[in-house]
Parts: sequence; C-alpha cells; structure tokens
Amino acid sequence: EVQLLESGGGLVQPGGSLRLSCAASGFTFKSYAMSWVRQAPGKGLEWVSAISGSGDFTYNAASVKGRFTLSRDNSKNTLYLQMNSLRAEDTAVYYCSKGGFLGAFDIWGQGTMVTVS
Amino acid sequence: QAVLTQPASLSASPGASASLTCTLRSGINVGTYRIHWYQQKPGSPPQYLLRYKSDSDKQQGSGVPSRFSGSKDASANAGILLISGLQSEDEADYYCMIWHSSASVFGTGTKVTVL
Repeated sequence: EVQLLESGGGLVQPGGSLRLSCAASGFTFKSYAMSWVRQAPGKGLEWVSAISGSGDFTYNAASVKGRFTLSRDNSKNTLYLQMNSLRAEDTAVYYCSKGGFLGAFDIWGQGTMVTVS
Repeated sequence: QAVLTQPASLSASPGASASLTCTLRSGINVGTYRIHWYQQKPGSPPQYLLRYKSDSDKQQGSGVPSRFSGSKDASANAGILLISGLQSEDEADYYCMIWHSSASVFGTGTKVTVL
C-alpha cells in the first residue's frame, strides 16, 4: 500500500524553526518528485515546495523562499522540510504529497499541524 | 487577481450534473495547461481526481469513477470539472491546480453541496 506519513509538527514561536519529515512506503521513492502543500485553518490549498526524485532540483513558493529548505534521503525513503524564521502566517496543516514538477499530486499524507504563535 | 478563480459554492440535487469552473487569469491561456482537479472532504487530505489538457492528453486518478470528467471552455479561458449523477458522497471542496512559471498554483476552491 502506498503511504506517506508526516511528523514533526507542533507549536513554535515566531522566528523559530521546525523540521518536518515524511516517511514514504509502497512505491519506489527515488523515482518520484515529492512536494509539500499546506492549508491554513479554514483556507484553501497552497503549494510550498517540490523536489526532484534525485534531489538535485528544488522549487519553492515565493512566500517561503529563503526560509524553507526541502531535501530528501532516498536511502531512508524520507522527505524533509526545514522551516526557519517562522511567521504566524505559516500556521497550517502541512501535507506531504507524491508528485511535482508539472505532475499531479496523486498521493497525500494525513498532514501535520504547524502552529506559529 | 488570482491566477485561478473558482466559484465559492455550488449546490445541486442528487442525480443531477454539476459543472465546476476554474477560470485562468487574463493573459494565461487555458489551452497551454494541464488542469488538475482535487477533492477534499472535511477533516481529510485532498484526493487527486484527474487531469485534463485535451481529449488526447488526460488522466483519471486511480479508482476515480468515470462520472468525474474534465474539459475546457476556451472562450471562457476556463477548465471544467463535470460531476455526473451527483451523489451525497460528492459533497466536498474541489480545487483546480496548474503548474505555472515553475510553481504549482491552486484555485480558490468550490464547496459543493448536494441538496
């Protein structure tokens, strides 16, 4: 079964840092681009960042550029999102998803909540 | 002006068809893009429904019923998600998405209510 399991969310003060992880299983992780998409409480979806299967290429939304860094460890089938200089407006559920780089987000995790306050 | 604009809400009766629009901002040509559609029910992550660029370039998500289909209205510069034979379980938020300038952009979302 294809599965994505996020972890690492929590409460952090403005200006603080947090690292999210996403453990993947059920597919050949290194063969697929991966992304993070977030959703603020009561709001719509917002794409955050995408990384190629090899990890050589990343793209970030303008709203997080210079603050968030996406990486992956293909030996551990794990995706990471390092979030620095957090702001109140970063408060959201963060979803890990399979896909990116012009493709569909065809598999989603259950999400992890990040609260900046 | 948002890149992708969707009506905030839509209501329809069970068994009816619902046409959800995703209008691209002026200057962005719908014909150029693959439009992806997602369904999100309360308290759950989004689910991928389908993508549509043309009748020869389209994809149905795994396990997605054929009563969900995509199309475009070039005159309106819009993508369309058609839900045929509406069911109570189709009550959800629906989002369109495109890749534009190396970034993924989601629409504003449409809340579908099945009366």
